[in-house]
Amino acid sequence: SQTIHQWPATLVQPVGSPLSLECTVEGTSNPNLYWYRQAAGRGLQLLFYSVGIGQISSEVPQNLSASRPQDRQFILSSKKLLLSDSGFYLCAWLGLKTGYGYTFGSGTRLTVV
Amino acid sequence: AQTVTQSQPEMSVQEAETVTLSCTYDTSESNYYLFWYKQPPSRQMILVIRQEAYKQQNATENRFSVNFQKAAKSFSLKISDSQLGDTAMYFCAFSAGYGGSQGNLIFGKGTKLSVKP
Repeated sequence: SQTIHQWPATLVQPVGSPLSLECTVEGTSNPNLYWYRQAAGRGLQLLFYSVGIGQISSEVPQNLSASRPQDRQFILSSKKLLLSDSGFYLCAWLGLKTGYGYTFGSGTRLTVV
Repeated sequence: AQTVTQSQPEMSVQEAETVTLSCTYDTSESNYYLFWYKQPPSRQMILVIRQEAYKQQNATENRFSVNFQKAAKSFSLKISDSQLGDTAMYFCAFSAGYGGSQGNLIFGKGTKLSVKP
């Protein structure tokens, strides 16, 4: 079966510290992978997507970066966190059939203090 | 650019009754996909139902059904026999196509649904 894992579930980090959120997918190959951020009480904002290893597209200029070192691994990073980076981060994968929509990870709640 | 609008920030319904959530969208594409996602307090995003624009028949999944009006660019979600577990934020979403940037989902701002006993 196809599953998506995302960790950690919760993270509290001081301003200026680095960040690494990881997302892995099982049971599928060459997935399209996405990182979204959801601010409190708001919808989802697309941050990055990747169609393959080493291929990253950024949708919003910001303090974050993404990498895809392996086919089923997608990493969201920051060298120095800002208070505005706080939010709920969701990883999602899209299989070969767009019509089936995204499968989302369980999310990471990031609080920058 | 495509946009998705959910005009009802909050709604409530009595248990066992029926409720309809509204969604409109704007696009110049002729073929696309529409989705409703549910986000309960756990914040896990769960796909409720999907609709391909080329299909005239409205999608149905158990107690959930949609009213897809392509000409009006409207995609409403009907929940029948509402249950307490349906309490969640509901997001309408649009996708223009097939992977990569085309596969990106554009989300509305959501409707918070409360089911009351």
